[in-house]
Amino acid sequence: DAGITQSPRHKVTETGTPVTLRCHQTENHRYMYWYRQDPGHGLRLIHYSYGVKDTDKGEVSDGYSVSRSKTEDFLLTLESATSSQTSVYFCAITTSLGNEQFFGPGTRLTVL
Amino acid sequence: GENVEQHPSTLSVQEGDSAVIKCTYSDSASNYFPWYKQELGKRPQLIIDIRSNVGEKKDQRIAVTLNKTAKHFSLHITETQPEDSAVYFCAAGYSGNTPLVFGKGTRLSVIA
Repeated sequence: DAGITQSPRHKVTETGTPVTLRCHQTENHRYMYWYRQDPGHGLRLIHYSYGVKDTDKGEVSDGYSVSRSKTEDFLLTLESATSSQTSVYFCAITTSLGNEQFFGPGTRLTVL
Repeated sequence: GENVEQHPSTLSVQEGDSAVIKCTYSDSASNYFPWYKQELGKRPQLIIDIRSNVGEKKDQRIAVTLNKTAKHFSLHITETQPEDSAVYFCAAGYSGNTPLVFGKGTRLSVIA
């Protein structure tokens, strides 16, 4: 599992509330990514990071922010959750050795 | 930006038959093409990948072919088994260290 954990694994929240999802890795990987998965859309990139404090936007970044103050943690924040952000969120890393991307277990977020 | 198209969206095969899933991409600068298998409620799992310096790669019953001139790549599964039933995603990127763009997925059903 490339040492990736995500928390929480499930969350139900209300429209307008802030939400932070955490991705934690234990193997010192430099590159980390947040994707969302929705039926009919596959996986779409939200934000990614290529090192501590180095982040960039992806295809569907509106309404999301990220932070990476430590190598091991990549946080995704929904400042004011909307129903359109109901989705499954996957964190991913790239391994240093093989340059392959592996996914975390996912977080299922429901915004009511 | 990159755009990845994947076909078919659903595929049913008899156990023991072969299955082929095809993807096309738009950005000729893409050099890395992984395939992921996702079972219901689980994370996408990397099953095979190919880089642009090779045309074909095999791993037991799974093979991937790449045609850079035509900008398409395919996944071939031979001697299919019921446990091959899942959703398969293709993706394209500049390298394993860069964000991936995913196809919308193919739901493969292997009928015993």
